[in-house]
Amino acid sequence: GAVVSQHPSRVICKSGTSVKIECRSLDFQATTMFWYRQFPKQSLMLMATSNEGSKATYEQGVEKDKFLINHASLTLSTLTVTSAHPEDSSFYICSALGQSTYNEQFFGPGTRLTVL
Amino acid sequence: AQTVTQSQPEMSVQEAETVTLSCTYDTSESNYYLFWYKQPPSRQMILVIRQEAYKQQNATENRFSVNFQKAAKSFSLKISDSQLGDTAMYFCAFPSSGGSEKLVFGKGTKLTVNP
Repeated sequence: GAVVSQHPSRVICKSGTSVKIECRSLDFQATTMFWYRQFPKQSLMLMATSNEGSKATYEQGVEKDKFLINHASLTLSTLTVTSAHPEDSSFYICSALGQSTYNEQFFGPGTRLTVL
Repeated sequence: AQTVTQSQPEMSVQEAETVTLSCTYDTSESNYYLFWYKQPPSRQMILVIRQEAYKQQNATENRFSVNFQKAAKSFSLKISDSQLGDTAMYFCAFPSSGGSEKLVFGKGTKLTVNP
């Protein structure tokens, strides 16, 4: 199957700083990428959908100025958590969809963010 | 709005036995995909199986099969010959609206396979 990577896998930062998480599709072109947030023992919550070359579409209740998403190429999307606070600590997962994936989303391994 | 319900927060099964995880959904669409994803302790989401709603035949992938009841809007996952590596969270997922690529996930079922 298609491979999606995320970097970093873990990050610890101080409150007030910004953190960037990268999501890459390694062997296919991702026309659409999704960013999810997952709290412990809970399901995945979709934060936003990004399409290459256009602005991301955010789900209701997700602050677009806090969670900046850039999808500049067909293989890379980034999520930047700006002015992070402890309540932003969570597990962030990306997934990617392409014309070659036949409606199947392929998921990255996730990034654990801890804000001190 | 589309909804997905998994009514079993936790389940356990003995190794080599069969277990069925339930999922119900609500939609007004007629054609769609349904998915079961597995999330082991590593937290990597893995597609287990998917079903196309217009197909009457239930999907099967090795030890995994589904019982898709379109009229009842039910999409259960059967795991045969359970293995220790099947221990994971299992999420049922469904497109959030007709033609949408966005998925709505159920709350998940934590499956434990006991030796």
